[in-house]
Formats: sequence, structure tokens, C-alpha cells
Amino acid sequence: QVQLEQSGAEVREPGSSVKVSCKASGGTFSSDRIHWVRQAPGQGLEWMGRITPILGVPNYAQNFQGRVTITADRSTSTAYMDVSSLRSEDTAIYYCTREGEWQEFNNWGQGTLVTVSS
Amino acid sequence: QSVLTQPPSVSAAPGQKVTISCSGSSSNIGRTYVSWYQQLPGTAPKVLIYDNYKRPSEISDRFSGSKSGTSATLGITGLQTGDEADYFCGTWDSSLSAWVFGGGTKVTVL
Repeated sequence: QVQLEQSGAEVREPGSSVKVSCKASGGTFSSDRIHWVRQAPGQGLEWMGRITPILGVPNYAQNFQGRVTITADRSTSTAYMDVSSLRSEDTAIYYCTREGEWQEFNNWGQGTLVTVSS
Repeated sequence: QSVLTQPPSVSAAPGQKVTISCSGSSSNIGRTYVSWYQQLPGTAPKVLIYDNYKRPSEISDRFSGSKSGTSATLGITGLQTGDEADYFCGTWDSSLSAWVFGGGTKVTVL
């Protein structure tokens, strides 16, 4: 059973950056496709991007191009999501999730709350 | 404005049935698999339905999925208070080259 363990809550000032980690266990990390999804308070789910560690090339949602960087370290089975130039609207819970055979998100991290406030 | 359209809320009495629609287009639902997610308050989403209608083994058969053309539907029968949650549909959009979600539907058990 694949488990995804995310890093803890973060508080950042506007204009700064944050890096969230997602450590996988129990699966085949390198060939898995890991996605990042965020949820602002009281809002729906918003897809940010994805990466397949063995390929190393990320894809991003248009809204996040240039401001989000997704990477993966195969040696530690950990994916990372870096958001720069933070603004208050980036306050959200950030989830990593693993894509299954039928394009479904069948494993989710517990979520990381990122609060952007001065 | 979400690419996939869901009703904001549905409600029914315990034991009744509800259906949640998810409307898309030929570049998303009309082209590939749809999955559905349940998000209980304060928790991460959980997959209920994948490949349009399949259920993970641990998901109750009270939950069902279907797809026709550019729309998908989630059904919940024998409604229970524990089913009160937000439900999201999702799929890949080939025009946007992005995963897209519906805006979510809140299910209330009266």
C-alpha cells in the first residue's frame, strides 16, 4: 500500500517562497506519476502540475507556469513542489497525490497548510 | 469557473438516493476516464470511482458511477449521515493538457 507523507505547515510572508515535500513509501516511486493539487479555504480542488520521477520532466497548469517548480528525488522517493512570489491568494492546503492505472488519484498525502500573511 | 460543471449542493433524507452530475466537453469527459472523489470535512480527498464506473475494493457498492458522452454521474443510494461530504469529479483535458476538476458538490443528509 502506497503512503505519501508530506512536510508540515508553513507560514510565509508575501513575496517569499515555500517548498513542500512529499515522501512516498510502499510503491514504485520512479515510475509513478505524482501530482500536486491545492485547495484554498472553503474552495474546490485546483490542479497545479505533475511529474514522473523516472522521466524528470514536469508539466504545469497554465495558471502556475513560471511560479511553481515540481521536482523529484528518486534516491529518497520524495517529490517537491516549490511556489515562489507568494501572495495571500496562495493560502491553501497543498496535497500531493499519486496517479493510478486509470488516471485516478488513488493515494493522497495528508496535506500541507501554507499560510501567506504579513 | 471550473472546466467541469457540478451542482453546488444536493440533499436527501437518510436511506434515499442522490445523483451528482458532472458536465464537460469532448476534450475531457468525452475523451477519457472520469474519477470521483469524496472529501470528508478536514480530510484529504479519497477516490470513490475510477474509469467512469469502477469502485476500489474498499468502497461500498452504494456508490456508483456512469458516463454518457460528455457527462458523468455519481449515484449514492441508501444515504447515510456519514455520506455528508464534498464530492468532486475529475479527468484529464487534452486541449488544456491539464487535469481538471468539477467545482464540487456538497451532499447534505436531511
